[in-house]
Amino acid sequence: DARVTQTPRDKVTEMGQEVTMRCQPILGHNTVFWYRQTMMQGLELLAYFRNRAPLDDSGMPKDRFSAEMPDATLATLKIQPSEPRDSAVYFCASGLSQGIGELFFGEGSRLTVL
Amino acid sequence: RKEVEQDPGPFNVPEGATVAFNCTYSNSASQSFFWYRQDCRKEPKLLMSVYSSGNEDGRFTAQLNRASQYISLLIRDSKLSDSATYLCVVTGTASKLTFGTGTRLQVTL
Repeated sequence: DARVTQTPRDKVTEMGQEVTMRCQPILGHNTVFWYRQTMMQGLELLAYFRNRAPLDDSGMPKDRFSAEMPDATLATLKIQPSEPRDSAVYFCASGLSQGIGELFFGEGSRLTVL
Repeated sequence: RKEVEQDPGPFNVPEGATVAFNCTYSNSASQSFFWYRQDCRKEPKLLMSVYSSGNEDGRFTAQLNRASQYISLLIRDSKLSDSATYLCVVTGTASKLTFGTGTRLQVTL
């Protein structure tokens, strides 16, 4: 059963530390999205890629966040340095560009920054 | 104004009731529309697409009103298992998906 895999599932870290989240999209999917979810803001788009090329990262704080796709099987989201306001659930999702709208989400990475 | 707005709820309804949610969007150039469902502490999953002509899937009916820029989701004969948060999703330029904050539904006995 194909699914999006995210690691870590849970991460507790201290302010100022670097955090890296990883995502393995479903094989064959050519779009990858990173979302952040909080109670107050809901799901916010941070960045997305099509065929590994970044298309939009306007929702991402550039000074501390970075997103990359080193290859078709791996997407990363890095926060350096982390701050308490970054505490949220980070979701990765993948899909097919021709089937836009149907995204398959990973189970999320729950980040707590103390 | 947010791009996609939903009433957060919660909507508390008894089993068997009919319940409807609306969602408004601000970008008149939006192209595609969807409803996702998210269970507590789980990831969102696609529930259904929303077509211009409306569409129905069992107890669920979705409709689009482009003139007024809103979409709706109607659930008939609510089940306990329908309890979840329902997310309205709109696509715009470059196929960017924008999610609403969700409407929480609680179906009770």
